[in-house]
Amino acid sequence: DTAVSQTPKYLVTQMGNDKSIKCEQNLGHDTMYWYKQDSKKFLKIMFSYNNKELIINETVPNRFSPKSPDKAHLNLHINSLELGDSAVYFCASSQDWTEAFFGQGTRLTVV
Amino acid sequence: GNSVTQMEGPVTLSEEAFLTINCTYTATGYPSLFWYVQYPGEGLQLLLKATKADDKGSNKGFEATYRKETTSFHLEKGSVQVSDSAVYFCALLPNNNDMRFGAGTRLTVKP
Repeated sequence: DTAVSQTPKYLVTQMGNDKSIKCEQNLGHDTMYWYKQDSKKFLKIMFSYNNKELIINETVPNRFSPKSPDKAHLNLHINSLELGDSAVYFCASSQDWTEAFFGQGTRLTVV
Repeated sequence: GNSVTQMEGPVTLSEEAFLTINCTYTATGYPSLFWYVQYPGEGLQLLLKATKADDKGSNKGFEATYRKETTSFHLEKGSVQVSDSAVYFCALLPNNNDMRFGAGTRLTVKP
C-alpha cells in the first residue's frame, strides 16, 4: 500500500496551459505539503495544509493554488504554465508536526 | 530564522570508504533533526532522526548524533556501498512548524 501517492508521475505540457497534480495519503495524517525540487535538487516548501486550512504559503506565484477536498487529499493546480515551472513536485504528509512522508514526485516539463 | 546548511557535493567515494556529510542548523527552541535519502528517480525517504540533544539516530549503517552545543547533525557511515549512491538531505523540524531542508548532497560510490 502506497502511503503518499501522487499522479501523474510525469507531465509534459505547453506553456500557457493549466494543469493539476493530485496527491492522496492513506496515513490519516493531519498535515499535507507541496514541495518543489529544482534541477539542482534544492527543495523548497510551497504550501502546507492542516485540517483543510492553509497555514503556510511561501512566496510562490499565485498561478499555483492548492486545493484540499478532504483531509486525505491535497491537489496542486497550476495556471498559465511557464518554462520556469519545470521541476519535480513532491507531495508529503505528517502528523502532529513530526517527520514528513513523501510521495514519489511528479516531474513537470513545460515546453 | 530556521535553516539548515549541509556540505556541498558532489561527494565521490570508493566502496568501503568512510563517509561524513556535515550538517549544521539554526533554530529557535528545540527542533527535531532528520536525514532523508533520495535514490535516483524516487521520492525522499526518511533515513534516521533524532528528537533531542545527544540522541543518536541510526539506520542501515548510517549514524548521526544531535549535538546542541555545535548545532550539528553530521551523517556518518563506516563503509559505504555502491547502493548508497543517492542524494542526502539534512532536515530540521522546529516546534510546531514546517520542515526545512538543506540543499542536498549527492553521493556517488564507485566499485
